[in-house]
Amino acid sequence: EAGVVQSPRYKIIEKKQPVAFWCNPISGHNTLYWYRQNLGQGPELLIRYENEEAVDDSQLPKDRFSAERLKGVDSTLKIQPAELGDSAVYLCASSSGEQYFGPGTRLTVT
Amino acid sequence: GENVEQHPSTLSVQEGDSAVIKCTYSDSASNYFPWYKQELGKRPQLIIDIRSNVGEKKDQRIAVTLNKTAKHFSLHITETQPEDSAVYFCAASKYGGSQGNLIFGKGTKLSVKP
Repeated sequence: EAGVVQSPRYKIIEKKQPVAFWCNPISGHNTLYWYRQNLGQGPELLIRYENEEAVDDSQLPKDRFSAERLKGVDSTLKIQPAELGDSAVYLCASSSGEQYFGPGTRLTVT
Repeated sequence: GENVEQHPSTLSVQEGDSAVIKCTYSDSASNYFPWYKQELGKRPQLIIDIRSNVGEKKDQRIAVTLNKTAKHFSLHITETQPEDSAVYFCAASKYGGSQGNLIFGKGTKLSVKP
Protein backbone atom coordinates (compact mmCIF):
# COMPACT_ATOMS: atom_id res chain seq x y z
CA GLU A 1 0.00 0.00 0.00
CA ALA A 2 1.39 3.40 -0.96
CA GLY A 3 1.88 5.88 1.86
CA VAL A 4 1.07 9.57 1.97
CA VAL A 5 2.76 11.32 -0.93
CA GLN A 6 3.90 14.94 -0.86
CA SER A 7 5.60 17.21 -3.34
CA PRO A 8 7.85 18.97 -3.68
CA ARG A 9 10.23 17.61 -1.05
CA TYR A 10 12.23 20.81 -0.88
CA LYS A 11 11.45 24.38 -1.85
CA ILE A 12 13.53 27.53 -1.57
CA ILE A 13 11.84 30.84 -2.30
CA GLU A 14 12.40 34.50 -1.62
CA LYS A 15 10.14 36.27 0.83
CA LYS A 16 6.93 37.72 -0.60
CA GLN A 17 6.80 34.97 -3.24
CA PRO A 18 3.94 32.45 -3.35
CA VAL A 19 4.42 28.73 -2.78
CA ALA A 20 2.19 25.67 -2.95
CA PHE A 21 2.46 22.18 -1.51
CA TRP A 22 0.61 19.10 -2.71
CA CYS A 23 -0.52 16.02 -0.81
CA ASN A 24 -1.99 12.71 -1.91
CA PRO A 25 -3.34 10.77 1.09
CA ILE A 26 -3.50 7.02 1.58
CA SER A 27 -6.31 5.58 -0.51
CA GLY A 28 -9.56 5.41 1.41
CA HIS A 29 -8.50 7.84 4.13
CA ASN A 30 -11.21 10.46 4.46
CA THR A 31 -9.39 12.60 7.03
CA LEU A 32 -6.46 14.73 5.91
CA TYR A 33 -4.29 17.02 7.99
CA TRP A 34 -1.71 19.70 7.28
CA TYR A 35 0.88 20.31 9.98
CA ARG A 36 3.82 22.68 10.29
CA GLN A 37 6.94 21.46 12.07
CA ASN A 38 9.50 24.00 13.14
CA LEU A 39 13.05 22.88 13.84
CA GLY A 40 13.29 21.05 17.16
CA GLN A 41 9.54 21.10 17.73
CA GLY A 42 6.62 18.75 17.34
CA PRO A 43 4.16 19.08 14.46
CA GLU A 44 1.47 21.74 14.91
CA LEU A 45 -1.89 21.39 13.19
CA LEU A 46 -2.80 23.94 10.54
CA ILE A 47 -5.99 22.44 9.12
CA ARG A 48 -8.00 19.22 9.18
CA TYR A 49 -10.31 17.98 6.42
CA GLU A 50 -13.06 15.42 6.60
CA ASN A 51 -13.54 14.53 2.93
CA GLU A 52 -13.69 17.89 1.17
CA GLU A 53 -14.82 19.88 4.21
CA ALA A 54 -12.36 21.84 6.35
CA VAL A 55 -13.65 20.96 9.82
CA ASP A 56 -10.89 22.69 11.80
CA ASP A 57 -8.89 25.59 10.38
CA SER A 58 -8.61 27.55 13.61
CA GLN A 59 -4.79 27.43 13.54
CA LEU A 60 -4.42 28.41 9.89
CA PRO A 61 -3.11 31.98 9.40
CA LYS A 62 -5.81 32.90 6.95
CA ASP A 63 -4.30 36.21 5.90
CA ARG A 64 -1.62 34.37 3.93
CA PHE A 65 -2.38 30.64 4.06
CA SER A 66 -5.07 28.84 2.12
CA ALA A 67 -5.88 25.20 1.51
CA GLU A 68 -8.23 23.16 -0.58
CA ARG A 69 -9.19 19.55 -0.96
CA LEU A 70 -11.30 19.34 -4.08
CA LYS A 71 -13.11 16.01 -4.56
CA GLY A 72 -12.03 14.94 -1.09
CA VAL A 73 -8.77 13.29 -2.13
CA ASP A 74 -5.68 15.36 -2.97
CA SER A 75 -5.02 18.58 -1.12
CA THR A 76 -3.04 21.73 -1.76
CA LEU A 77 -1.68 24.15 0.83
CA LYS A 78 -0.67 27.61 -0.38
CA ILE A 79 1.20 30.50 1.18
CA GLN A 80 1.00 33.93 -0.41
CA PRO A 81 3.07 35.92 0.28
CA ALA A 82 5.68 33.89 2.15
CA GLU A 83 7.53 35.40 5.10
CA LEU A 84 10.89 34.46 6.63
CA GLY A 85 9.11 32.90 9.62
CA ASP A 86 7.31 30.44 7.36
CA SER A 87 10.50 28.42 6.95
CA ALA A 88 9.61 24.98 8.31
CA VAL A 89 8.68 21.46 7.26
CA TYR A 90 5.07 21.17 6.12
CA LEU A 91 3.69 17.71 6.81
CA CYS A 92 0.56 16.15 5.42
CA ALA A 93 -1.08 13.25 7.24
CA SER A 94 -4.12 11.09 6.57
CA SER A 95 -6.14 8.87 8.84
CA SER A 96 -8.79 6.23 9.08
CA GLY A 97 -7.95 5.64 12.75
CA GLU A 98 -4.22 6.12 13.18
CA GLN A 99 -2.53 9.08 11.52
CA TYR A 100 0.15 8.42 8.92
CA PHE A 101 2.46 11.17 7.81
CA GLY A 102 3.95 12.02 4.46
CA PRO A 103 7.65 12.84 4.04
CA GLY A 104 7.02 16.56 4.27
CA THR A 105 8.07 19.59 2.26
CA ARG A 106 11.01 21.50 3.67
CA LEU A 107 10.41 25.19 2.91
CA THR A 108 13.18 27.73 3.16
CA VAL A 109 12.25 31.39 2.76
CA THR A 110 15.20 33.70 2.11
CA GLY B 1 -7.22 23.60 24.99
CA GLU B 2 -5.03 20.54 25.34
CA ASN B 3 -1.38 20.95 26.34
CA VAL B 4 1.16 18.12 26.22
CA GLU B 5 4.43 18.31 28.14
CA GLN B 6 7.23 15.87 27.33
CA HIS B 7 10.37 15.05 29.30
CA PRO B 8 13.28 14.77 28.99
CA SER B 9 14.16 16.79 25.91
CA THR B 10 17.32 14.72 25.41
CA LEU B 11 18.19 11.24 26.62
CA SER B 12 21.42 9.33 26.18
CA VAL B 13 21.69 5.63 27.05
CA GLN B 14 24.11 2.79 26.49
CA GLU B 15 23.14 0.07 24.08
CA GLY B 16 21.16 -2.58 25.92
CA ASP B 17 19.88 -0.23 28.61
CA SER B 18 16.26 0.85 28.92
CA ALA B 19 14.90 4.28 28.00
CA VAL B 20 11.82 5.95 29.45
CA ILE B 21 10.12 9.07 28.08
CA LYS B 22 7.27 10.70 29.98
CA CYS B 23 4.40 12.93 28.90
CA THR B 24 1.64 14.71 30.74
CA TYR B 25 -1.57 16.10 29.27
CA SER B 26 -4.02 18.65 30.55
CA ASP B 27 -7.41 17.77 29.04
CA SER B 28 -9.08 14.92 30.89
CA ALA B 29 -11.27 14.33 27.80
CA SER B 30 -8.26 13.13 25.78
CA ASN B 31 -8.55 9.43 25.12
CA TYR B 32 -5.98 8.51 22.47
CA PHE B 33 -2.20 8.68 22.96
CA PRO B 34 0.14 7.76 20.11
CA TRP B 35 3.93 7.82 20.02
CA TYR B 36 5.87 8.73 16.90
CA LYS B 37 9.52 8.15 16.03
CA GLN B 38 11.19 10.62 13.69
CA GLU B 39 14.62 9.99 12.27
CA LEU B 40 16.60 12.94 10.96
CA GLY B 41 15.05 14.32 7.81
CA LYS B 42 12.30 11.70 7.72
CA ARG B 43 8.58 11.55 8.42
CA PRO B 44 7.17 10.86 11.89
CA GLN B 45 6.29 7.16 12.09
CA LEU B 46 3.70 5.73 14.44
CA ILE B 47 5.36 3.16 16.68
CA ILE B 48 2.70 2.45 19.30
CA ASP B 49 -0.51 3.94 20.62
CA ILE B 50 -2.83 3.46 23.57
CA ARG B 51 -6.45 4.31 24.20
CA SER B 52 -7.84 5.37 27.55
CA ASN B 53 -9.65 2.10 28.18
CA VAL B 54 -6.35 0.27 28.77
CA GLY B 55 -3.45 0.94 31.12
CA GLU B 56 -0.58 -0.71 29.27
CA LYS B 57 0.27 -1.94 25.80
CA LYS B 58 3.36 -3.79 24.60
CA ASP B 59 4.89 -4.46 21.21
CA GLN B 60 8.17 -6.37 21.38
CA ARG B 61 10.73 -4.02 22.98
CA ILE B 62 8.33 -1.08 23.20
CA ALA B 63 5.63 -0.50 25.79
CA VAL B 64 3.38 2.40 26.71
CA THR B 65 1.68 2.95 30.04
CA LEU B 66 -1.18 5.30 30.81
CA ASN B 67 -2.30 6.74 34.13
CA LYS B 68 -5.60 8.53 33.49
CA THR B 69 -5.94 9.76 37.05
CA ALA B 70 -2.59 11.51 36.97
CA LYS B 71 -2.95 12.38 33.27
CA HIS B 72 0.40 11.05 32.24
CA PHE B 73 1.68 8.37 29.91
CA SER B 74 5.12 6.95 29.25
CA LEU B 75 7.08 5.18 26.54
CA HIS B 76 9.41 2.40 27.60
CA ILE B 77 12.06 0.98 25.28
CA THR B 78 13.97 -2.05 26.56
CA GLU B 79 17.24 -3.48 25.25
CA THR B 80 17.93 -0.31 23.28
CA GLN B 81 19.81 -0.54 20.00
CA PRO B 82 21.68 2.14 18.02
CA GLU B 83 18.85 2.15 15.47
CA ASP B 84 16.50 3.35 18.21
CA SER B 85 18.32 6.70 18.07
CA ALA B 86 15.79 9.28 16.88
CA VAL B 87 13.42 11.97 18.14
CA TYR B 88 10.33 10.59 19.81
CA PHE B 89 7.08 12.55 20.05
CA CYS B 90 4.11 11.84 22.25
CA ALA B 91 0.68 13.17 21.36
CA ALA B 92 -2.83 13.32 22.77
CA SER B 93 -6.21 13.50 21.11
CA LYS B 94 -9.90 13.53 21.94
CA TYR B 95 -12.40 11.44 20.06
CA GLY B 96 -9.86 8.94 18.84
CA GLY B 97 -7.26 9.10 16.10
CA SER B 98 -9.31 10.03 13.08
CA GLN B 99 -11.88 12.34 14.55
CA GLY B 100 -9.63 14.42 16.74
CA ASN B 101 -6.61 16.61 16.30
CA LEU B 102 -3.29 15.41 17.70
CA ILE B 103 -1.52 17.75 20.10
CA PHE B 104 2.18 16.90 20.16
CA GLY B 105 4.83 17.24 22.81
CA LYS B 106 8.09 18.97 21.95
CA GLY B 107 9.97 15.73 21.44
CA THR B 108 12.77 13.74 23.09
CA LYS B 109 16.02 13.19 21.27
CA LEU B 110 17.19 9.69 22.17
CA SER B 111 20.80 8.73 21.57
CA VAL B 112 21.83 5.09 22.01
CA LYS B 113 25.58 4.70 22.31
CA PRO B 114 27.11 1.44 21.06
